Amino acid sequence: RKEVEQDPGPFNVPEGATVAFNCTYSNSASQSFFWYRQDCRKEPKLLMSVYSSGNEDGRFTAQLNRASQYISLLIRDSKLSDSATYLCVVREASGTYKYIFGTGTRLKVLA
Amino acid sequence: GAGVSQSPSNKVTEKGKDVELRCDPISGHTALYWYRQSLGQGLEFLIYFQGNSAPDKSGLPSDRFSAERTGGSVSTLTIQRTQQEDSAVYLCASSQNAYEQYFGPGTRLTVT
Repeated sequence: RKEVEQDPGPFNVPEGATVAFNCTYSNSASQSFFWYRQDCRKEPKLLMSVYSSGNEDGRFTAQLNRASQYISLLIRDSKLSDSATYLCVVREASGTYKYIFGTGTRLKVLA
Repeated sequence: GAGVSQSPSNKVTEKGKDVELRCDPISGHTALYWYRQSLGQGLEFLIYFQGNSAPDKSGLPSDRFSAERTGGSVSTLTIQRTQQEDSAVYLCASSQNAYEQYFGPGTRLTVT
């Protein structure tokens, strides 16, 4: 089993749609969780961190379920510019600075 | 301000040759990471440096791979006797507080 698993997609959605991605992680001791965005042939950039209580940043909402070891990202009112690959990232455990990246979920927003 | 820079941006080498990839992190960032990304794949952790602590080399795929970080700043990733399966984009990232990682543009390595 991979340490961080994501549905690779692609998710093709029309503009204005709401889309959700899930990610599961295998290490119950994992400490910190993030979503990164990677545009085609570009480097990843932090989209948002994921807090235990859930958090929102504009059209983006992240949730963490520690009991089930999964993380979600919800994008509302999708824009063409949201088209990218979304990477789920998990910091392994306390005392380490090692991060494990999922393989990413590809999103394409269609006009 | 200046972000993470990497050089060269592209490198084509013959199988069996050694290559050195360079990373200049953001000034003051104590953590530095190396990853590689093969076509259509996710990021594979290779190694990280944190301050003066011993590096975590657990992701290096073989003893042909090594990395060093001099003076807590610039890092060099060395691949000896390159193989075709080493072809990938090698990404460097730095971080100040074990929170956000800032990535460089990567070095695209092609082994022929």
